[in-house]
Amino acid sequence: QVQLQESGPGLVKPSQTLSLTCTVSGGSISSGNYYWSWIRQSAGKGLEWIGRIYTSGSTNYNPSLKSRVTISGDTSKNQFSLKLSSVTAADTAVYYCARQTNGDYVVLDYWGQGTLVSVSS
Amino acid sequence: QSVLTQPPSVSGAPGQRVTFSCTGSSSNIGAGFDVHWYQQLPGTAPKLLIYANNNRPSGVPERFSGSKSGTSASLAITGLQAEDEADYYCQSYDSRLSGFWVFGGGTKLTVL
Repeated sequence: QVQLQESGPGLVKPSQTLSLTCTVSGGSISSGNYYWSWIRQSAGKGLEWIGRIYTSGSTNYNPSLKSRVTISGDTSKNQFSLKLSSVTAADTAVYYCARQTNGDYVVLDYWGQGTLVSVSS
Repeated sequence: QSVLTQPPSVSGAPGQRVTFSCTGSSSNIGAGFDVHWYQQLPGTAPKLLIYANNNRPSGVPERFSGSKSGTSASLAITGLQAEDEADYYCQSYDSRLSGFWVFGGGTKLTVL
């Protein structure tokens, strides 16, 4: 059973960089036909796909966030990370990491529990 | 504003049938991309409920079903139960720009 767990600061100051890590257990981020994704959910709003990294290390980002987002992987620790720069209050959200399949169907089949990140001075 | 449009709320009594709509456009659902549905119980992460328009992952009851037509998709729940009270999100792929995955704004189901 694949499990994902987000970790990182719960409070970030405006204009700084938000950094989160997702630790994966029960599966390797460097094998299999999967992408490893970040999604966020603002209070009272819906879900927003941020981006993903493939087992090869290639990445895809949401065009609306692309200029501020970097997703990277650390296969030695079986982790992948999110960096979001120049944050504002609008980036306050629950951030989820998830596994995205890459076969006949591309779905988010395993999710972390989510971590709340607030942007405030 | 979400790329996919969902009504904010739906309600139904136990045992009834309820449906959820998800409206997209020619760059996502209308382009033939699959629609997936997620259920988010209060205080938890979303869970995959329906994939590729009308398929249920293992463990999802037959009471849940999905369909797609044109630029829209629907989720139906029959034999509504109190435990079904949750937020429901549709998801698809949008081919604009370099392409990206999009969600609906979600529909909150209240079981009366």
